[in-house]
Amino acid sequence: EADIYQTPRYLVIGTGKKITLECSQTMGHDKMYWYQQDPGMELHLIHYSYGVNSTEKGDLSSESTVSRIRTEHFPLTLESARPSHTSQYLCASSAEQAMDTQYFGPGTRLTVL
Amino acid sequence: KNQVEQSPQSLIILEGKNCTLQCNYTVSPFSNLRWYKQDTGRGPVSLTIMTFSENTKSNGRYTATLDADTKQSSLHITASQLSDSASYICVVREASGYALNFGKGTSLLVTP
Repeated sequence: EADIYQTPRYLVIGTGKKITLECSQTMGHDKMYWYQQDPGMELHLIHYSYGVNSTEKGDLSSESTVSRIRTEHFPLTLESARPSHTSQYLCASSAEQAMDTQYFGPGTRLTVL
Repeated sequence: KNQVEQSPQSLIILEGKNCTLQCNYTVSPFSNLRWYKQDTGRGPVSLTIMTFSENTKSNGRYTATLDADTKQSSLHITASQLSDSASYICVVREASGYALNFGKGTSLLVTP
């Protein structure tokens, strides 16, 4: 069992609200990632970080933002949620190796009404 | 266009039976290929990883094969159990930039 945690597990909110999805890991991994996954579709990378104060956008354009102030913490924020943001958000982390395994959190299922 | 294609999209088998899932990819240059298992409502968990020089890798009842020449991989599940019901995702890593390419997954349902 990977030591990576996400909260909340489920979130239903109204349009226009600001939300923060939390992700934390206790494995000391430098690399952390946020993925978006819709039912029956592949995971899409939306943000990643290779260390503290390092954040990059992924392959899929996203209106969300991330921060990496501490190694173990990688929160994702949506300033103004819209129904198009409804999806499953998965956080992952990995060690600094070429064949590093990504360990995934349980995910946050977000529904924006 | 997705560079990792998986088949079948979904599969239903009886408990105790074997099954094989397929993954074809066009990712180049190739670094490694992983199979992940994703239970409903959970994050994916790595089952196997294979590099260019490896043809087969086992993890309990799961056996993955890789043909790097034809760019095909398979995941064989032996003596299936109800707990094998999940989505199985093929992930191919590029050698340049280390980008990950995810397949859409095969949804497996094992019935009593």
